[in-house]
Amino acid sequence: GNSVTQMEGPVTLSEEAFLTINCTYTATGYPSLFWYVQYPGEGLQLLLKATKADDKGSNKGFEATYRKETTSFHLEKGSVQVSDSAVYFCAPRPMDSSYKLIFGSGTRLLVRP
Amino acid sequence: KAGVTQTPRYLIKTRGQQVTLSCSPISGHRSVSWYQQTPGQGLQFLFEYFSETQRNKGNFPGRFSGRQFSNSRSEMNVSTLELGDSALYLCASSPGTGNYEEQYFGPGTRLTVT
Repeated sequence: GNSVTQMEGPVTLSEEAFLTINCTYTATGYPSLFWYVQYPGEGLQLLLKATKADDKGSNKGFEATYRKETTSFHLEKGSVQVSDSAVYFCAPRPMDSSYKLIFGSGTRLLVRP
Repeated sequence: KAGVTQTPRYLIKTRGQQVTLSCSPISGHRSVSWYQQTPGQGLQFLFEYFSETQRNKGNFPGRFSGRQFSNSRSEMNVSTLELGDSALYLCASSPGTGNYEEQYFGPGTRLTVT
């Protein structure tokens, strides 16, 4: 079946540190891949996406590359800020007729000044 | 463009009651999906509507139902509420024409069942 595995949180970093949040997935066909972010008390915001192998999605300094051979879509940022503190969700969208996103458990990021 | 809106933002209900939540998608979007978010189960897909038809349904009991109107606005209904239905209910909209398109989420409705 379809599933997503994200690294356990919380991830605690100092400001300006390098961030990696790992994500691997199992999904039908050739999925589209998304990262969403959720700030406290809010809904999910789309952070970035990639739709084919070796595509790199990027936004607000965050990047993730679609790795078909390892079925991974790791999120990276070179220098995190306190305002990046949030929960991050990796979400493939399988190429079936379900039209749904498959969410991982989410990774909480805490950035300290 | 205005984003996805959900009403109400907060609800408190008693076990056994029923509740209706509303979602207005981004203008021009014809697909509305609903998700339930709880600390224990995470984000789970409830159902998806496109052009007033339910296209897909997740693994939830029949107490959870929904519908979509001709203007693409959607409602979901939960009957005979249980304590375990306490959750953040999120809706998401998209054009609905392909698997590559992103879904845009509303702020959610926080339902508390006492």
